[in-house]
Amino acid sequence: AQTVTQSQPEMSVQEAETVTLSCTYDTSENNYYLFWYKQPPSRQMILVIRQEAYKQQNATENRFSVNFQKAAKSFSLKISDSQLGDTAMYFCAFMNSGGSNYKLTFGKGTLLTVNP
Amino acid sequence: DTGVSQDPRHKITKRGQNVTFRCDPISEHNRLYWYRQTLGQGPEFLTYFQNEAQLEKSRLLSDRFSAERPKGSFSTLEIQRTEQGDSAMYLCASSSRDAAGEQYFGPGTRLTVT
Repeated sequence: AQTVTQSQPEMSVQEAETVTLSCTYDTSENNYYLFWYKQPPSRQMILVIRQEAYKQQNATENRFSVNFQKAAKSFSLKISDSQLGDTAMYFCAFMNSGGSNYKLTFGKGTLLTVNP
Repeated sequence: DTGVSQDPRHKITKRGQNVTFRCDPISEHNRLYWYRQTLGQGPEFLTYFQNEAQLEKSRLLSDRFSAERPKGSFSTLEIQRTEQGDSAMYLCASSSRDAAGEQYFGPGTRLTVT
């Protein structure tokens, strides 16, 4: 079974600064995806960024980028130029792409607060 | 594309009552998932449908829980004889075959059992 660990329950950052959220995972699979999802207060979860395990290049989406270290099973999220709208719970998630059930396994989340 | 919708958004029920939730996925998505999220936790997988077939159920899904997706479109999740421990946010997500793993989530149904 896969496990996902987010060791930072809460973090805060000043507007316009950069923050990094940590995630580690454990799996014996070789083919998988990793995700960061954002859940704003009282709003639905949306995908922030996705990384395929077979790709060595780190994924980027505008102000969001990841540092994927496959051997270390580490998958951190960097948010640059933080904005007030980035305030949310952030969940790291794992998906085994080699099976027939593409369920997500989530970490417990990190509550990020962006301060003005 | 109106996104994934769930109904109701909130449900308060008394212990022992039955409740049913509905999820309408994005229309062309053949995969549908139910997750449960309790306070301070990430969502946990409950069950998965591909079209109308229920292909996997988590051990979290006791015999009091049943899910259906009768025509491969909307899905229902029923909880019989609710218990206080069933209080949680129930999330539905859908994805397409070619989505490279991306799941689209609905707003959730928050269940409170008193």
